[in-house]
Amino acid sequence: DAKTTQPNSMESNEEEPVHLPCNHSTISGTDYIHWYRQLPSQGPEYVIHGLTSNVNNRMASLAIAEDRKSSTLILHRATLRDAAVYYCILWNNFNKFYFGSGTKLNVKP
Amino acid sequence: EAGVAQSPRYKIIEKRQSVAFWCNPISGHATLYWYQQILGQGPKLLIQFQNNGVVDDSQLPKDRFSAERLKGVDSTLKIQPAKLEDSAVYLCASSLNRGKPLHFGNGTRLTVT
Repeated sequence: DAKTTQPNSMESNEEEPVHLPCNHSTISGTDYIHWYRQLPSQGPEYVIHGLTSNVNNRMASLAIAEDRKSSTLILHRATLRDAAVYYCILWNNFNKFYFGSGTKLNVKP
Repeated sequence: EAGVAQSPRYKIIEKRQSVAFWCNPISGHATLYWYQQILGQGPKLLIQFQNNGVVDDSQLPKDRFSAERLKGVDSTLKIQPAKLEDSAVYLCASSLNRGKPLHFGNGTRLTVT
C-alpha cells in the first residue's frame, strides 16, 4: 500500500498558523490524500481530503504540491483543542485506510 | 446524526478468556471497519466489511479473532482466547461507502492481565 512519511512531532504557539507536512513520493494518479486527527482518548476524526487541487473546509486547508509527492495540512489559527495526532493517509479504490504513526502536535498557550 | 456507538467502553479480562465488542455504525453506512490501536501506535486495520461481506481481513489473526456483520448493520468482534498482547483500544468506524470519510466511535479499551 502507498506509504506516507510524517514528522513524529511538532510544536506550535496558540493562535498561530501550523503547517503539518506529509511526504508521499510513491503516490499514484488515483490516490486521494486524506487527513485525520486523533484527540486524546478519542477515535480519529476526519479533517480533509483532496486529489490534485488545494482544498479548504471549516477545519483546515490542504495544500497539495504540483507533483503530488507531498502535501501540507494547514491549521490557520491553532488552539489548544487542536493538540492531537495528525495522520496523513493515501487511499484509492484498491487499497485500504492504513494509518501510519502520524505527527503529534503540541500547542503552547 | 447519531455517531458510531461502541460498547463496552472498557473491559478487563484474564489471558485465555474470551471477549466480544459491539459496534453500531451510522445509519445507512455501507462500509464498516475494525481497527486495533496499541498504545503509542496508529490504528491498525483488522477487518473491513462492505454491507455484510468481508472486503479485507488480511491483518486479522484468524486463529483467535473473528468478526461478523449480520444484516449489514451492527457488527461484533470477538477474541478467543485472549493474549496479553491483545491489550489495546478496539475502534470501530463506518463510512457511507468505500473511499468516503470514516467516522469513528470512541473505542473499547481492552486490558488483558
